[in-house]
Amino acid sequence: DVKVTQSSRYLVKRTGEKVFLECVQDMDHENMFWYRQDPGLGLRLIYFSYDVKMKEKGDIPEGYSVSREKKERFSLILESASTNQTSMYLCASSDSGGTSYEQYFGPGTRLTVT
Amino acid sequence: QKEVEQDPGPLSVPEGAIVSLNCTYSNSAFQYFMWYRQYSRKGPELLMYTYSSGNKEDGRFTAQVDKSSKYISLFIRDSQPSDSATYLCATIFQGAQKLVFGQGTRLTINP
Repeated sequence: DVKVTQSSRYLVKRTGEKVFLECVQDMDHENMFWYRQDPGLGLRLIYFSYDVKMKEKGDIPEGYSVSREKKERFSLILESASTNQTSMYLCASSDSGGTSYEQYFGPGTRLTVT
Repeated sequence: QKEVEQDPGPLSVPEGAIVSLNCTYSNSAFQYFMWYRQYSRKGPELLMYTYSSGNKEDGRFTAQVDKSSKYISLFIRDSQPSDSATYLCATIFQGAQKLVFGQGTRLTINP
């Protein structure tokens, strides 16, 4: 059974803290993604990685950075958390062959910044 | 203008009703059209996909794409309370790696 796991289901952090969200996939997928999901706005892509150490900005990269040192692991970093980064964060992975219409999602991390 | 527009609802219908969920998109170059289902406190999962125009049926679910009007639909027949979830339409260019999602429609089926 394919699996994408995220390090925390719920996280509460203070404004200005550095926050790390971890994602691990066991499907040997090349592509990994970080999204945030907000009511009425749907899924918005923060960053995308198509290979180890490779990354590409998504639609809303400001205030975030990522790291991919190993194929199975993709980390999202909030350098200095702010209240407007309170959201549901979803990690996903996909195979890179052909058209990658199927992404596999983790259960999400609900982050609250106070 | 968003590339994919979807009415966020919420939509509430009685059990057994036929449900119609819809999206519109702006770029005629999109080739694959998907519906993802997201249960509460879970990540989205692929429900169905369609390549180009036409219909695709899977049990009680039918996905329909009309490329001439840039319209994507999902029909659920004999809806069940277990169908209660958020449904997200998505699309992608041929050979691409990144999906473009609609906002998602929250659906509740009442027993």
